[in-house]
Amino acid sequence: GNSVTQMEGPVTLSEEAFLTINCTYTATGYPSLFWYVQYPGEGLQLLLKATKADDKGSNKGFEATYRKETTSFHLEKGSVQVSDSAVYFCALSVNTGGFKTIFGAGTRLFVKA
Amino acid sequence: DGGITQSPKYLFRKEGQNVTLSCEQNLNHDAMYWYRQDPGQGLRLIYYSQIVNDFQKGDIAEGYSVSREKKESFPLTVTSAQKNPTAFYLCAAATGVGTEAFFGQGTRLTVV
Repeated sequence: GNSVTQMEGPVTLSEEAFLTINCTYTATGYPSLFWYVQYPGEGLQLLLKATKADDKGSNKGFEATYRKETTSFHLEKGSVQVSDSAVYFCALSVNTGGFKTIFGAGTRLFVKA
Repeated sequence: DGGITQSPKYLFRKEGQNVTLSCEQNLNHDAMYWYRQDPGQGLRLIYYSQIVNDFQKGDIAEGYSVSREKKESFPLTVTSAQKNPTAFYLCAAATGVGTEAFFGQGTRLTVV
C-alpha cells in the first residue's frame, strides 16, 4: 500500500541550528512528494514539493530532495528561526484509481530563542 | 480572495445530534477531501470526491456522510453514529496527482 513515515517529534532546536526531519515513503507507481506546514489552530500550507526522482523542492530556506533509491524526502534547513516553530507533514500524492494525498503523522518543531 | 472556506471555526454538539460542517471552494478544483486531525496526530482521510455527484470513502468513513452536488461545495455531516467526534476537521481541494492540496482553516468540533 501507500504510506508515509516521518520521524517522531517533538524536535527542539536553538535558533540558527540545522534542521533535518526524516521522511520515507512506500508507494505503488510514481508519487509526487510534498512537505506541508501547520501553524497552531490553522490548516496546512504547502511548503515545497517534488514531482520526480532527483528533483529538489525548496522554499523559505527549506529544501528536500526526492530520492527514489532510498524512498526518502528528508526536510532540511540550514538555520532555523523561532518563527519556524510549527508542525511539519510529509505527504505523497498518488493515483490509485482516483488521486489522493496521504500524510505522515507530522513532526512538531520548537525553536528556542 | 481565492481559497477554501470552512465554517464554522468552532462548533459544539450535544451527544446524539447530527451536525454538518461546511466547505466551499472558489478554486475550480475537481477534487475535494475531508480529513480528521486528533491532538498530536496526523491527518486521516474521511471522504474524498474526484468529481461532482461522486465520492469515495476514505480510511475512517464510519459515522460520517458527505454530498457533492456542486463543484464548489463538499459538506461533511458528522452523525450520531460517530462514537468519538471531537476533533479538528480539515477540508482540502486539489486539481490532480502531483498538485498541491489547498486547505481550509479547519473546524474544531467539540461534543458536550
